[in-house]
Amino acid sequence: DAGVIQSPRHEVTEMGQEVTLRCKPISGHNSLFWYRQTMMRGLELLIYFNNNVPIDDSGMPEDRFSAKMPNASFSTLKIQPSEPRDSAVYFCASSLIRLSGGYNEQFFGPGTRLTVL
Amino acid sequence: DQQVKQNSPSLSVQEGRISILNCDYTNSMFDYFLWYKKYPAEGPTFLISISSIKDKNEDGRFTVFLNKSAKHLSLHIVPSQPGDSAVYFCAASARNSGANNLFFGTGTRLTVIP
Repeated sequence: DAGVIQSPRHEVTEMGQEVTLRCKPISGHNSLFWYRQTMMRGLELLIYFNNNVPIDDSGMPEDRFSAKMPNASFSTLKIQPSEPRDSAVYFCASSLIRLSGGYNEQFFGPGTRLTVL
Repeated sequence: DQQVKQNSPSLSVQEGRISILNCDYTNSMFDYFLWYKKYPAEGPTFLISISSIKDKNEDGRFTVFLNKSAKHLSLHIVPSQPGDSAVYFCAASARNSGANNLFFGTGTRLTVIP
């Protein structure tokens, strides 16, 4: 099992540039989550998808941020234009949500460290 | 507004002693609590969890305690080992409301001194 795959692992860009982060969830999982980690706020949920449909995007900080999940095996988080305050580690996680209930563990990718100069 | 708070950013413990990591929450709808462990350059990994119908859950060296009236939970590691050195995140979920998302704290960096 390859786990959750994220690319790139590191991204350095200049203010104003477009940044695209990519995620491949674990095969068979039906939920996908994007988080941002900062020292001040810890792990913040940005958006999550169930069956490729965005369910809650209230954590997306601004219109500069957008996320898509065109199919069950791929998602992108785009920042355009990027700003220095967007510098953080961005994590993608996936989970299998069962209709029968119970807790559904989230499995995290290794993260993308974004630096905006 | 942080709904899950970890007020100690760091903790140092001698090898073999007990490590106690604390977490407070504000949302009374939370009914499931988890601890995640994170090593540098890796994503968080699930460690242990507890449902609000329990007040204690134990898994080997790791025990989580839940005090619902105080909206407080803690993670005990006994005995602590150098390999336990990592950042520990507390997380909470309102499962019974149908939500699948987790609310995380800011993390506590544990250092176990050999």
